[in-house]
Amino acid sequence: QVQLVESGGGVVLPGGSLRLSCEASGFSNYAAHWVRQAPGKGLEWVALMSSDRSEERYAASVKGRLSISRDNSKNTVYLDLNSLRSDDTAVYFCARGKSPTSYIIDHWGHGMLVTVSS
Amino acid sequence: DIVMTQSPDSLAVSLGERATINCKSSQNLLSSADNRNYLSWHQQKPGQPPKLLIYWASTRESGVPDRFSGSGSGTHFTLTISSLQAEDVAFYYCHQHYSAPITFGGGTKVEIK
Repeated sequence: QVQLVESGGGVVLPGGSLRLSCEASGFSNYAAHWVRQAPGKGLEWVALMSSDRSEERYAASVKGRLSISRDNSKNTVYLDLNSLRSDDTAVYFCARGKSPTSYIIDHWGHGMLVTVSS
Repeated sequence: DIVMTQSPDSLAVSLGERATINCKSSQNLLSSADNRNYLSWHQQKPGQPPKLLIYWASTRESGVPDRFSGSGSGTHFTLTISSLQAEDVAFYYCHQHYSAPITFGGGTKVEIK
């Protein structure tokens, strides 16, 4: 059973920063995605990184403010959130691609709430 | 960016009856390189993360009941639940995995009538 264990969510002031982490056994062999869901809204894909870090992509709404990275020695993926705004408030899901480069998301973490508020 | 449009926004179906959800993409999701449609369906129950049901438009993920099926090609796709069960109450999202940025449909809420 694949389990993605997320940590790092919380409350942050507008303009502030936060780092989200996601660890899973064998994660180094798969693409990593982050997807967010604002309260009562649908799913919004945020970022992806291939297993070897050769591909890194972002949604236009977060480019330049959010950054995905990974440490394959720790089977861990990160999402750095900077210059946060109120519309970044959402549950952030870590997710795994079906292969080292896959855009198919086949496993999801339970999600972490990030609240941007003064 | 590829825009994914789902319909209806919500539907109520009697237990044991068929539920049909539609998804339209603004661009062709059929790859000429491998003849596959780059379209997935995910189910999200209240308070839970999403779960992959279908990928390549019609391939059922391991462990997904066979009452769930996907069809369609190009720009028009359908998720069908052949005989709705109580545990199928959820939001359903289509998702194009053809190109970045990856995009999701707005979601369809399925309820029991």
